[in-house]
Amino acid sequence: DVKVTQSSRYLVKRTGEKVFLECVQDMDHENMFWYRQDPGLGLRLIYFSYDVKMKEKGDIPEGYSVSREKKERFSLILESASTNQTSMYLCASRAGQRRLHFGNGTRLTVT
Amino acid sequence: EDQVTQSPEALRLQEGESSSLNCSYTVSGLRGLFWYRQDPGKGPEFLFTLYSAGEEKEKERLKATLTKKESFLHITAPKPEDSATYLCAVQGMNYGGSQGNLIFGKGTKLSVKP
Repeated sequence: DVKVTQSSRYLVKRTGEKVFLECVQDMDHENMFWYRQDPGLGLRLIYFSYDVKMKEKGDIPEGYSVSREKKERFSLILESASTNQTSMYLCASRAGQRRLHFGNGTRLTVT
Repeated sequence: EDQVTQSPEALRLQEGESSSLNCSYTVSGLRGLFWYRQDPGKGPEFLFTLYSAGEEKEKERLKATLTKKESFLHITAPKPEDSATYLCAVQGMNYGGSQGNLIFGKGTKLSVKP
């Protein structure tokens, strides 16, 4: 079965720390996405990638960067974590314009 | 501007009480409408894709329908295990980068009481 794996379910970091969220998919999908999900705001797209080393900004890229060195892996980087980045982070992948496959999420708390 | 609106925000049902969730959308050329189910603390789980007006899909107690302006997720004789947040998303013709991306609604939180 299709699988998107996020490296951590829960993460607690301090303000100013550099944070890495990792995501791996085993479906050979060309497209990968990072979303954050907050109560009342729904899912918001941070960044997506349509090929290795390619990336495009989503709706809320400020304070984040991404890396895609291999097709199966897409990393989200918080250069200097802030409390307003406390959220649920969801990684997803898709083939072409087919359905998204989601990971189980990383709940990040920044104190 | 492309957008997706789901209603109601929250819905409480008694077990066995059928109802419908609504997803209204405006998009430049619909390429697909997706329904997902999300349990607390987990990632969304795919339910259905609909491509054209008049299309219907069913899975157990769920049935999704599509018109040119909205989609409904009908829940027949729901059980407590159907409690979850249901998300709707659309894929338009002219959204996002080279492969585009989905526009999500904010979801309907469904609670089914025994």
